[in-house]
Amino acid sequence: NSKVIQTPRYLVKGQGQKAKMRCIPEKGHPVVFWYQQNKNNEFKFLINFQNQEVLQQIDMTEKRFSAECPSNSPCSLEIQSSEAGDSALYLCASSRGLGVNYAEQFFGPGTRLTVL
Amino acid sequence: QQKVQQSPESLIVPEGGMASLNCTSSDRNVDYFWWYRQHSGKSPKMLMSIFSNGEKEEGRFTVHLNKASLHTSLHIRDSQPSDSALYLCAAENSNNRIFFGDGTQLVVKP
Repeated sequence: NSKVIQTPRYLVKGQGQKAKMRCIPEKGHPVVFWYQQNKNNEFKFLINFQNQEVLQQIDMTEKRFSAECPSNSPCSLEIQSSEAGDSALYLCASSRGLGVNYAEQFFGPGTRLTVL
Repeated sequence: QQKVQQSPESLIVPEGGMASLNCTSSDRNVDYFWWYRQHSGKSPKMLMSIFSNGEKEEGRFTVHLNKASLHTSLHIRDSQPSDSALYLCAAENSNNRIFFGDGTQLVVKP
């Protein structure tokens, strides 16, 4: 069973408010991913880290989202100014690394964000 | 630009039937594929992975990979209602970039 911890499980914000969610990856997993899954189950990659460094991110993440994975602290994903279209399940996943032998991702239970 | 395309979007099969799901990448640098399964209300879990041309079987599940066409398929024989889930295909390229498709929603009817 996955040991990725995500908090909070549910988050309700008004439009324009900040929304912050956290993720503790599995122990020994230096690679962390954030995904957004909308109500149609469409799965969108947002950003990933290896240790504290950003590996890749999409444009949307660069502009309205901020994320970090500081050492010895939970990773976080924050939406600076929430929009109705941001309502979704935000999934965090971690892996032992990248490449064929390490890249299986283990997912947390997700944070369900509702923007009113 | 969607790097991984899955088909069909949804699939209904009778209990005991065969379910066949497809996944193709448009990134010529893709090396590896994974299949994840997500039951309703749960988070995705890795089901099977395939890295070499050919076929891999685990119980009722078989995965095929054709690297030349960057196509993988997942086949579930003797489908059970508990197999009903969203099946996600993921691909990793030589730059260690990982892409997920939008998934195939499988419903197995008793």
